[in-house]
Amino acid sequence: GAGVSQSPRYKVAKRGQDVALRCDPISGHVSLFWYQQALGQGPEFLTYFQNEAQLDKSGLPSDRFFAERPEGSVSTLKIQRTQQEDSAVYLCASSLVRGDLALSYNEQFFGPGTRLTVL
Amino acid sequence: QKEVEQNSGPLSVPEGAIASLNCTYSDRVSQSFFWYRQYSGKSPELIMSIYSNGDKEDGRFTAQLNKASQYVSLLIRDSQPSDSATYLCAVNDGANNLFFGTGTRLTVIP
Repeated sequence: GAGVSQSPRYKVAKRGQDVALRCDPISGHVSLFWYQQALGQGPEFLTYFQNEAQLDKSGLPSDRFFAERPEGSVSTLKIQRTQQEDSAVYLCASSLVRGDLALSYNEQFFGPGTRLTVL
Repeated sequence: QKEVEQNSGPLSVPEGAIASLNCTYSDRVSQSFFWYRQYSGKSPELIMSIYSNGDKEDGRFTAQLNKASQYVSLLIRDSQPSDSATYLCAVNDGANNLFFGTGTRLTVIP
């Protein structure tokens, strides 16, 4: 079946522009996660949805970052007034169920990522 | 503060040898442990998950977990040049998000 898809794959923005990054999870996956990966680092958690509910947004670095998943499937990560430090790869992952249920179902599968460059 | 520690490498092994990758974590309540492989310019790919103490084997890969020592490892037998990548250790605290190490870069020399 189809995996997680993300668009655009690459985005170049001028400092101060707003950007919107899209994630389409694996069909039927309840949980959706956004991560930020800087060069040479592991992914860092940004936010988590279970269906349409945003249950954890503790990793969002500032109030310029906003995520939504209004119908419980596709999610959008929006960054307002982009800054150079926002340059990174933004990864989306999905998993079948919540992590506190059957452990074997909490495996997360990643999309290809969106590489954001802010000039 | 949840921390996941890995040696950044690079780790170089000859083709056909066993590559051993190690990871320690700080949160004692962690329940799920994962190894991801990440090729340069690509996204992480799940290769192993382990939930209970002991060994778990899948093909050339063996994951080992010791919760008492807060230690998880990945062994790659008969290493191939195609195994050259960065290997990320990830720990789930049972709630939702994963905490990743910085990754170990592995190079398999033909």
